[in-house]
Amino acid sequence: GAVVSQHPSWVICKSGTSVKIECRSLDFQATTMFWYRQFPKQSLMLMATSNEGSKATYEQGVEKDKFLINHASLTLSTLTVTSAHPEDSSFYICSAPRTRRPEQFFGPGTRLTVL
Amino acid sequence: KQEVTQIPAALSVPEGENLVLNCSFTDSAIYNLQWFRQDPGKGLTSLLLIQSSQREQTSGRLNASLDKSSGRSTLYIAASQPGDSATYLCAPYTGFQKLVFGTGTRLLVSP
Repeated sequence: GAVVSQHPSWVICKSGTSVKIECRSLDFQATTMFWYRQFPKQSLMLMATSNEGSKATYEQGVEKDKFLINHASLTLSTLTVTSAHPEDSSFYICSAPRTRRPEQFFGPGTRLTVL
Repeated sequence: KQEVTQIPAALSVPEGENLVLNCSFTDSAIYNLQWFRQDPGKGLTSLLLIQSSQREQTSGRLNASLDKSSGRSTLYIAASQPGDSATYLCAPYTGFQKLVFGTGTRLLVSP
């Protein structure tokens, strides 16, 4: 069964509003989680690394003030898209490594549409 | 900067064919490599993970090989079925648990 969940699975919002996306590890603790973004017909691009209890690490070109990441517990990371614009419309996916397992586990993704 | 290329970009075959999907990466200093499938509008399903010390992994009709020195991985799909239709993504691990995704191969298997 799924080991990483995301909520919501899809969201539609108006331009200028903020949207929060949650990523949860269901039966394990994750000190690190990753956030990816996928535009239509493109591959996944890593946006940032979410670190429990400390600041997130953002990839080059990703605005940290626009994409706020909070990893407040060992099972939850949130991504908040602030002042969303239509160009932020995308598919956002999180992942988490599991202790003593070499692979990443991915959430089902969140489809964001900004009108 | 690691770049991952997958060939072909798209593939359309009749049911029953054996398939080869190719993945190449520019920096051979990788850890593990993972293959995923992605159905339209959906998240990722992990297919196979090849660890750094391994050269191949098998799961059912799927077999993946890894040649780090040449920067290549290959996914073999035996006896393809319509349910195999999806986009297949190759992703080497670079650094601590960081994945770099390939461009993907869109596969369509016709009945």
